[in-house]
Amino acid sequence: AQTVTQSQPEMSVQEAETVTLSCTYDTSESNYYLFWYKQPPSRQMILVIRQEAYKQQNATENRFSVNFQKAAKSFSLKISDSQLGDTAMYFCAVLIQGAQKLVFGQGTRLTINP
Amino acid sequence: DTAVSQTPKYLVTQMGNDKSIKCEQNLGHDTMYWYKQDSKKFLKIMFSYNNKELIINETVPNRFSPKSPDKAHLNLHINSLELGDSAVYFCASSHLSLAGGPRNEQYFGPGTRLTVT
Repeated sequence: AQTVTQSQPEMSVQEAETVTLSCTYDTSESNYYLFWYKQPPSRQMILVIRQEAYKQQNATENRFSVNFQKAAKSFSLKISDSQLGDTAMYFCAVLIQGAQKLVFGQGTRLTINP
Repeated sequence: DTAVSQTPKYLVTQMGNDKSIKCEQNLGHDTMYWYKQDSKKFLKIMFSYNNKELIINETVPNRFSPKSPDKAHLNLHINSLELGDSAVYFCASSHLSLAGGPRNEQYFGPGTRLTVT
């Protein structure tokens, strides 16, 4: 079975700072995908970024980037130049190729302060 | 032009009642899902359907019965509601992930907050 662990229940930074959210996972599969989802107070689940496990290059999407360490089974999310609108719950998730379910971590509540 | 829509967004009902939540996606995906988010924000898969066929049932009580009339719709019917069913229920959709690639990203609906009193 797959497990995902987010060890930081809450984080808080000032606007424009850089923040890194941690995620570790456990799977015996070789083909899988990793995702970060954002859930603002509106409750909507929004896909932030994805990473294919077979790719060594870290994914980036504008101010969002990941540090994927496959051997360590670590998948952290870095948010640069943080904005007030980044305030949300952030969930790390793993999808095994061939399986049809996302396995989520417990979430990290991120607050960006003005 | 909402991609994944759910109705209703809020549902308040009493114990013992039967209720349904509807989900529709217009993304052309062939796979749809129901996830449950509990009071601690933990998200867990409940069901998955591919082309109207059930492919995942994560030990959900029999009181929960999903129905997929076509691959664009996946409804969730709950019988004999209990206090513990109070949660936010999310519908999601994607292409089948067997082949991998960018097509396997899951897109979520806005969620339905169910409160059982």
